[in-house]
Amino acid sequence: SQTIHQWPATLVQPVGSPLSLECTVEGTSNPNLYWYRQAAGRGLQLLFYSIGIDQISSEVPQNLSASRPQDRQFILSSKKLLLSDSGFYLCAGRLAGGYEQYFGPGTRLTVT
Amino acid sequence: LAKTTQPISMDSYEGQEVNITCSHNNIATNDYITWYQQFPSQGPRFIIQGYKTKVTNEVASLFIPADRKSSTLSLPRVSLSDTAVYYCLVGPRFSGGYNKLIFGAGTRLAVHP
Repeated sequence: SQTIHQWPATLVQPVGSPLSLECTVEGTSNPNLYWYRQAAGRGLQLLFYSIGIDQISSEVPQNLSASRPQDRQFILSSKKLLLSDSGFYLCAGRLAGGYEQYFGPGTRLTVT
Repeated sequence: LAKTTQPISMDSYEGQEVNITCSHNNIATNDYITWYQQFPSQGPRFIIQGYKTKVTNEVASLFIPADRKSSTLSLPRVSLSDTAVYYCLVGPRFSGGYNKLIFGAGTRLAVHP
């Protein structure tokens, strides 16, 4: 089965600092990968998705970026964090040819 | 992707059956209906998926009428641990490799002792 790993679990960063969240996938090859953000009490907002190495699509224009340097590695980054970047960040993966998305444990980011 | 409408919140008691209805009037012919469950501070978890009639697994049942404009997630004999947010999603089962899932606000189910 597919397992999504994310770290760190929690993160507190000052405004203007850089960000790097990493997601790795175990148990499958060539997955579709996704980054979501969830504000408190709200639904999930799709930020980026990727169908392969270096193939990234952005859903929402913002100061975040994503990269996929390896098949099973997906990184979310920012050069300068804003207060509005606070939230719960979730990485998800879907098996090639599958329909179910598997989610990681998430990273709770607080920008102060 | 078809828009969905579901209740913001529901309350129930342990041992009761809970039915959460989702409206999706603009569902397309090749759309499937999928439900996810999310506990606080965790990622959503797939519960069940269906296209028409009834689907049942070890966790829940999904009822879909003939016109497919709505669906009902049924949780039999809920317990406190079923307290979570439940999301209804509608979209193609395989979306050209992208399978973008659009999560709304979901239904917050609170199960009381």
